[in-house]
Formats: sequence, structure tokens, C-alpha cells
Amino acid sequence: DAKTTQPPSMDCAEGRAANLPCNHSTISGNEYVYWYRQIHSQGPQYIIHGLKNNETNEMASLIITEDRKSSTLILPHATLRDTAVYYCIVRVKGYSTLTFGKGTMLLVSP
Amino acid sequence: DGGITQSPKYLFRKEGQNVTLSCEQNLNHDAMYWYRQDPGQGLRLIYYSQIVNDFQKGDIAEGYSVSREKKESFPLTVTSAQKNPTAFYLCASSIQGTSGGTSSYNEQFFGPGTRLTVL
Repeated sequence: DAKTTQPPSMDCAEGRAANLPCNHSTISGNEYVYWYRQIHSQGPQYIIHGLKNNETNEMASLIITEDRKSSTLILPHATLRDTAVYYCIVRVKGYSTLTFGKGTMLLVSP
Repeated sequence: DGGITQSPKYLFRKEGQNVTLSCEQNLNHDAMYWYRQDPGQGLRLIYYSQIVNDFQKGDIAEGYSVSREKKESFPLTVTSAQKNPTAFYLCASSIQGTSGGTSSYNEQFFGPGTRLTVL
């Protein structure tokens, strides 16, 4: 069962903000939203996670709607090196494994 | 430098042969994981281990085996029973496995992957 829905691909111009959406309409109260990205032929890299408050770190910002049914990952100034597949994952608190879908392929162009 | 390593980067095997993929971490992480990735697809969990000498099957364990004799090492054997073994294999580790309230912070760190091709 797909717990998250993401667009298969998005484009972004270098230097602009990249806003990657994720729908998780069946999320339950004890599930966190995680974002990972995978650059071609490399292992995935953790970006950020959150429960219900918006979060920001040195890589990105995570905006979660008040009803928690969707979220947006924001890369404020996309660079060519941000070209990757971005995975949105919901995970139960206290459970260790991750379930990856197909993610969104973000292409950052000059 | 702390990290997680996988070897080899590329591996070729003949059909019907068993092959073992290496995964080592010096992050002092308790939990380790093996995933498989096919072209254009997300990652699928094969096996995971939360502590030494213990491991659990993931979603696609058939045709694979693992061991966890040391905290640092979690080798994966792809057996001849795996019908379609050609794939990109990724190993990961995290500070802890299933636990209470703090486990939401145990993000997984991934190795560089091993690309296995069956000839």
C-alpha cells in the first residue's frame, strides 16, 4: 500500500526555490514525515524529518499542513548538485524500517 | 572518518552461484539494513538487524541470507535461489532499531551500494 504520493518528476531553475510536494492523507498520529534524496547511483541521504511543526536545517525546510495530510520540502536555492530523486516517507514512531516509494526526480537546470 | 562501506562496488556472478556482499560500519550503530533497488524503482527492504546475533526478514527476503556476528558487520548472501538477483544493493545503519520515543531521530545512513550483475 502506498502511504505517500509524490509527482514522478519536477524541474527547477538553478538558484530558484524547489518545492517538492508529498501527500500522506492516511498518516496517523504517531507517524513522522521523513525526506531522503538519492543522487544517481549513490546511497540515499537523509535530509530532514518532522511530526507536525515546520522544520528547518542547513539542507532544507519542511512544511507540514495543519491536518498533516500533506507536506512540502523546500530547497531554498537549488543548485545543479541538488538534482536527485527525493523520497517522502512516513514512519511510525518507534519503528526502525523505512518504506521507499518511487520518489520525485528533481532536475535542476542552469 | 566514520562511515559505512560496501564492497565491492561492482560484482559479476554466473547464474547459479552464491555471492556475498560486504557491509561494514564504524559509526557504533546498533541497527543495520539491506535494501535492493531495481532501475526506476524505490528501495525494498531485504533484511534488517537491530542488535548483534539477531535479524528479521524484510519485504523481499526470499533467496537471501544474512548474519550479524559483529556489531560492525552485516554481510548479505545472494543465493542461487534468488530468481532475479541483478540489482543495486544498498546497506544502511542507524543508531538504534525499534525503541521508544527517541527512535524517530535515528535516521539511516547509507553506504555507496554494490551493483550486482548476473551473467
